Amino acid sequence: NAGVIQTPRHKVTGKGQEATLWCEPISGHSAVFWYRQTIVQGLEFLTYFRNQAPIDDSGMPKERFSAQMPNQSHSTLKIQSTQPQDSAVYLCASSLAPEVFFGKGTRLTVV
Amino acid sequence: QQKVQQSPESLIVPEGGMASLNCTSSDRNVDYFWWYRQHSGKSPKMLMSIFSNGEKEEGRFTVHLNKASLHTSLHIRDSQPSDSALYLCAASSNYAQGLTFGLGTRVSVFP
Repeated sequence: NAGVIQTPRHKVTGKGQEATLWCEPISGHSAVFWYRQTIVQGLEFLTYFRNQAPIDDSGMPKERFSAQMPNQSHSTLKIQSTQPQDSAVYLCASSLAPEVFFGKGTRLTVV
Repeated sequence: QQKVQQSPESLIVPEGGMASLNCTSSDRNVDYFWWYRQHSGKSPKMLMSIFSNGEKEEGRFTVHLNKASLHTSLHIRDSQPSDSALYLCAASSNYAQGLTFGLGTRVSVFP
């Protein structure tokens, strides 16, 4: 069991560019979550899927952020027109309730 | 204002000592609490969960929950340098959905 796999581990984008982050959940886990972690805001919930269906995206900045789960083995988080305030560690997690397992994260830096 | 408040922000504990961490939710819909530990540069890992009033003990770790006050506490006895980490409290109204995290308590255990 390799755990939740996130790629890339680090990404640097220029302001205004697009960033796509990838997540491979643990096989058999029905729920996939995306979180964002910064020093100031802490760990913030963004969105989650259950059995590939979007359930709750209440934490997603509506205009530039989108997430998809086209099949049970991967999910993507896309940020359009990246801004410096999007710089954070983006964590994907999968769950066999009640325990949530986090990936190692993607550190996004917008310059 | 954070819906999950943790205190203290940081804690310095001598090796072998007791660390006591607090967490309160301001969301009356919350019914489930978790404690996660995040070592520097790593992803959060679940330490303990507690869903019923009372106390739960696992090794050197004990959690308490008072549902009436939406307050949980984590106690680490015989603290070890390897316990030095960021401790995150999380809460949810449903054990299978996205979690709301506090900003954490940073614990440093010195030899």
